[in-house]
Amino acid sequence: GEDVEQSLFLSVREGDSSVINCTYTDSSSTYLYWYKQEPGAGLQLLTYIFSNMDMKQDQRLTVLLNKKDKHLSLRIADTQTGDSAIYFCAPRGNTGKLIFGQGTTLQVKP
Amino acid sequence: GAGVSQSPSNKVTEKGKDVELRCDPISGHTALYWYRQRLGQGLEFLIYFQGNSAPDKSGLPSDRFSAERTGESVSTLTIQRTQQEDSAVYLCASSEPGLAGVKLYFGPGTRLTVL
Repeated sequence: GEDVEQSLFLSVREGDSSVINCTYTDSSSTYLYWYKQEPGAGLQLLTYIFSNMDMKQDQRLTVLLNKKDKHLSLRIADTQTGDSAIYFCAPRGNTGKLIFGQGTTLQVKP
Repeated sequence: GAGVSQSPSNKVTEKGKDVELRCDPISGHTALYWYRQRLGQGLEFLIYFQGNSAPDKSGLPSDRFSAERTGESVSTLTIQRTQQEDSAVYLCASSEPGLAGVKLYFGPGTRLTVL
């Protein structure tokens, strides 16, 4: 079946860049999403990329997609303490089904 | 406008009882998803409805779990003979059909506690 892998934890200093990585197995993925979940809160869609793109930039966020290697990354520039959260990678297959990774906890130290 | 709603927001039940969780998607959204999130874990796919197509039930963990959807509206997730490991937040999401359905809109979830 489909599988999505993420590292579980990342710690950075405020002002540094954060890079969260994700690998997936479903080669039919059409859209690939990044969601953010703060403690006790719901899921917030951060950004997404279409599978025929290799990069998308949205303010402090940069998404890179290597479709050949099935690797997705999210870069957060100038990371702030408010960016501390769990980040989920979620590729969407061509049937429309969305599979989530287990999430990467980002800790931002002042 | 109204978003995805779920009810109840919290449910406490005893082991062995049956529970029904409800999801009201955004009007016009043909796709509907159910996910489960255990404490400190990621989202686990359960089931996906898309219009009149047969649902993708590949994520249902056991035959104690079932889900129904009436047309393109309400969906009910039923868990029979609940177990303690069923304790989790159950999330529902919906999206528009076709290419317009890029974004999934998540409901607030139902927190299920099985004692």
